Amino acid sequence: EAGVTQFPSHSVIEKGQTVTLRCDPISGHDNLYWYRRVMGKEIKFLLHFVKESKQDESGMPNNRFLAERTGGTYSTLKVQPAELEDSGVYFCASSQSPIGSYNEQFFGPGTRLTVL
Amino acid sequence: AQRVTQPEKLLSVFKGAPVELKCNYSYSGSPELFWYVQYSRQRLQLLLRHISRESIKGFTADLNKGETSFHLKKPFAQEEDSAMYYCALSGSGAGSYQLTFGKGTKLSVIP
Repeated sequence: EAGVTQFPSHSVIEKGQTVTLRCDPISGHDNLYWYRRVMGKEIKFLLHFVKESKQDESGMPNNRFLAERTGGTYSTLKVQPAELEDSGVYFCASSQSPIGSYNEQFFGPGTRLTVL
Repeated sequence: AQRVTQPEKLLSVFKGAPVELKCNYSYSGSPELFWYVQYSRQRLQLLLRHISRESIKGFTADLNKGETSFHLKKPFAQEEDSAMYYCALSGSGAGSYQLTFGKGTKLSVIP
C-alpha cells in the first residue's frame, strides 16, 4: 500500500506568487496534519483535519495560508501571496482515528518550497 | 507552552560505541513521547514511543517524569544508525494530537 504522498516534491516560485501543495493521506486515515520546517528551526505543526473538518488550525502562521480537505480525502495547502519567509519543507502526515491515546502519524516525503 | 529540547545538533560516535541522544521536554500534563528518525533520502518515520516500552533496532528510551527527559539509547552503534533523530511529544487528551518536535540531532556513526 502506498504511504502518504505529496506533490510537488519541489517548488520554486517568486515572492508574490501563489503555490498550492497537495497531500494524499493513507487510505482510510481520517486524520491529516500539515507541518512545516523552516531552515534552522524545528518541524512545526500547522493544522489538523479530521475528515473534512479543521480540528485545530492554531499553527497556521497567517491568513496567506489556506488549507482545504474537500470530501475528507486529499488536502491542499495554498500560500497566497508567498513571501520569502515561507520557504521551507512542508510535511503532511496522516493517522487513523486514535484509540485511547494511540496516535501514530505517518509522514509524507515533504514538499520543498523555495520563494525567491 | 509545550516544548522539546534536543541539546545536540550533531553527535558522532564510532561503530560499536554506545549512543545516547538527549531529549528534554516541558508539558503541563502527561504527554506522549516519541522518537522519529529520518534516514538519508527517506521520509520521517516513527522509531519508538514511550508507552509501548519496546526496543526497536536496538534502541530504547525511558520516560523520566522527574527529569522530564526521554533520552534515546543504544548500547552498540551501527553504521546504518546514521540519520536525523527527532524527539516529539503530543498531548494525551482527546483532540490534542499535534506533534511538537525538537530541532533534531544528526547521528553520524564512524566506521
